[in-house]
Amino acid sequence: DAGVTQSPTHLIKTRGQHVTLRCSPISGHKSVSWYQQVLGQGPQFIFQYYEKEERGRGNFPDRFSARQFPNYSSELNVNALLLGDSALYLCASSLEFSAGDTQYFGPGTRLTVL
Amino acid sequence: GENVEQHPSTLSVQEGDSAVIKCTYSDSASNYFPWYKQELGKGPQLIIDIRSNVGEKKDQRIAVTLNKTAKHFSLHITETQPEDSAVYFCAATASGGGADGLTFGKGTHLIIQP
Repeated sequence: DAGVTQSPTHLIKTRGQHVTLRCSPISGHKSVSWYQQVLGQGPQFIFQYYEKEERGRGNFPDRFSARQFPNYSSELNVNALLLGDSALYLCASSLEFSAGDTQYFGPGTRLTVL
Repeated sequence: GENVEQHPSTLSVQEGDSAVIKCTYSDSASNYFPWYKQELGKGPQLIIDIRSNVGEKKDQRIAVTLNKTAKHFSLHITETQPEDSAVYFCAATASGGGADGLTFGKGTHLIIQP
């Protein structure tokens, strides 16, 4: 079975632009989470979606938004990009929504903001 | 919210020796503790996890121990091999279930010297 897939692999944007990142979870998984990983740091939680509803949100500004579709895939949107948004954006899928559910990560999208 | 501290930041060991990475967490309600391995250019890969009703778990050369009283958990890798070289992250759930996502440590760069 395919793992978590993300697109695009790499992306270069300029300050002020917006970006949309996409994620497809493992087949059968209903929950998708998004994380931001700045170089040299651990991933930081942005959002968790389950059954198309936002179930959790980390400490990120309103420029960050996401949604989950009926097929459980998800999009992360970032508006008014700042240089500090340059990072690896990771998507993780889990079977259900609970603290103990194993999260499986995709390869990430490397976003560079110039 | 949850805070996870991870040590050391860099660990160099001779091939065949053991490696130990330690993490502490702050939220006594946390009950799920996964460890991830991240190779260059890839997303984090789950290698082992432990839940709060278990004190130790082993999977071949990898083991994790948990001390809930002291709020710390450790990863032990025995008979290290060159392919063990990577960045390792510990993580913990925040209180409130899955809505807070995983809180990660800052990572340990494990170097296996031939």
